[in-house]
Amino acid sequence: DAGVIQSPRHEVTEMGQEVTLRCKPISGHNSLFWYRQTMMRGLELLIYFNNNVPIDDSGMPEDRFSAKMPNASFSTLKIQPSEPRDSAVYFCASSFRQVQETQYFGPGTRLLVL
Amino acid sequence: EDKVVQSPLSLVVHEGDTVTLNCSYEVTNFRSLLWYKQEKKAPTFLFMLTSSGIEKKSGRLSSILDKKELFSILNITATQTGDSAVYLCAVTRETSGSRLTFGEGTQLTVNP
Repeated sequence: DAGVIQSPRHEVTEMGQEVTLRCKPISGHNSLFWYRQTMMRGLELLIYFNNNVPIDDSGMPEDRFSAKMPNASFSTLKIQPSEPRDSAVYFCASSFRQVQETQYFGPGTRLLVL
Repeated sequence: EDKVVQSPLSLVVHEGDTVTLNCSYEVTNFRSLLWYKQEKKAPTFLFMLTSSGIEKKSGRLSSILDKKELFSILNITATQTGDSAVYLCAVTRETSGSRLTFGEGTQLTVNP
């Protein structure tokens, strides 16, 4: 059974460019989470969805960040324009809504903004 | 603001040793505490604790929660080099059950 799939696994871009990160949750899971991990701030929740609807986006750092979930099997996190301080590992996780704490993480996208 | 503090931040032991990792928290309307293991990739779920005094066990790993003193411990007995990882503690609230607030983590290194 495939786990959470993220792409790309690594992304290097220049400041000002648009970055799109993609996530496919585990089939049947109806909650999806986007996290960011840095040395300075640790692992932080950015936004999460239940049944494709954004529930809590209070962790989204600023308007440059946006996330969508057009269907149950796909989500994107977009940064436009990107800045060097956005460099981090971005994780997507999914869970069953009934047990949302038990989240299954994808392998992450390592983003470097030059 | 919710607060999760883990100690120690790093720990180096020899194979076969027993280790205890600590997690203390301050959170309004506490719901659950979770332990995750992160090797050089994504965090993987270990335990979820909601009730005080009930030990959860999986192989050589066990964990217990004290809701009065607001802390949890994660024990690993007979450590192996494969236990080397960052161990993350997280808490959730009743009012926002899906939002995990993570601690900094404990970096455990098990040497042969």
